[in-house]
Amino acid sequence: DIVMTQSPDSLAVSLGERATINCKSSQSVLYNSNNKNYLTWYQQKPGQPPKLLIYWASRRESGVPDRFSGSGSGTDFTLTISSLQAEDVAVYYCQQYYNTPITFGQGTRLEIK
Amino acid sequence: QVQLVQSGAEVKKPGASVKVSCKPSGYTFSNYAIHWVRQAPGQRLEWMGWINAGKGNTKYSQKFQGRVTIARDTSASTAYMELSTLRSEDTAIYYCARESRSSGYYDYWGQGTLVTVSS
Repeated sequence: DIVMTQSPDSLAVSLGERATINCKSSQSVLYNSNNKNYLTWYQQKPGQPPKLLIYWASRRESGVPDRFSGSGSGTDFTLTISSLQAEDVAVYYCQQYYNTPITFGQGTRLEIK
Repeated sequence: QVQLVQSGAEVKKPGASVKVSCKPSGYTFSNYAIHWVRQAPGQRLEWMGWINAGKGNTKYSQKFQGRVTIARDTSASTAYMELSTLRSEDTAIYYCARESRSSGYYDYWGQGTLVTVSS
């Protein structure tokens, strides 16, 4: 199984500041035949299901604010929120869909400082 | 708009089975795969398996193999997840999710169904 490890486990950032969350996979999730990274980021608020933010490691889902961006390739990935807003308080998960079992990171809790 | 509506919360005794339903709307049911993911208290999201809603073929996580059955009823446009031989560690929120364009990631999720296993 591919193990997904996020860092940090929790993060406190001031409003308007940048937030950076990292995700590392135990093996590459880059599929060479199509040059796509099978890596997704979700946002989960209390009492709600996860919400898709980023897929293919860097493509923003329709309707997601452009302050959210994803980067990285192979085994190391980053979710960046360029200017933190109050509504961004949530737990963020990375997910690999390179192979089954599909696996998720342990989550990063983002709070306001 | 796309919605996935799941059945309500369940309380079960250890050793029993639970069946959770997931009824999508807003798209053609048979055109997308449905996955099941669970979230135990304080734990990460955990993939259980998926079903091709059109062809009906399934794949399960080895962790749940033998205990989980995922099925669909195309006439009712509904997917089901049944978990048997329940134990306290199966207490969790169970989600269904639509796989986007045969890609592997999930663009829509159900609201979740809390399953509590307690004697």
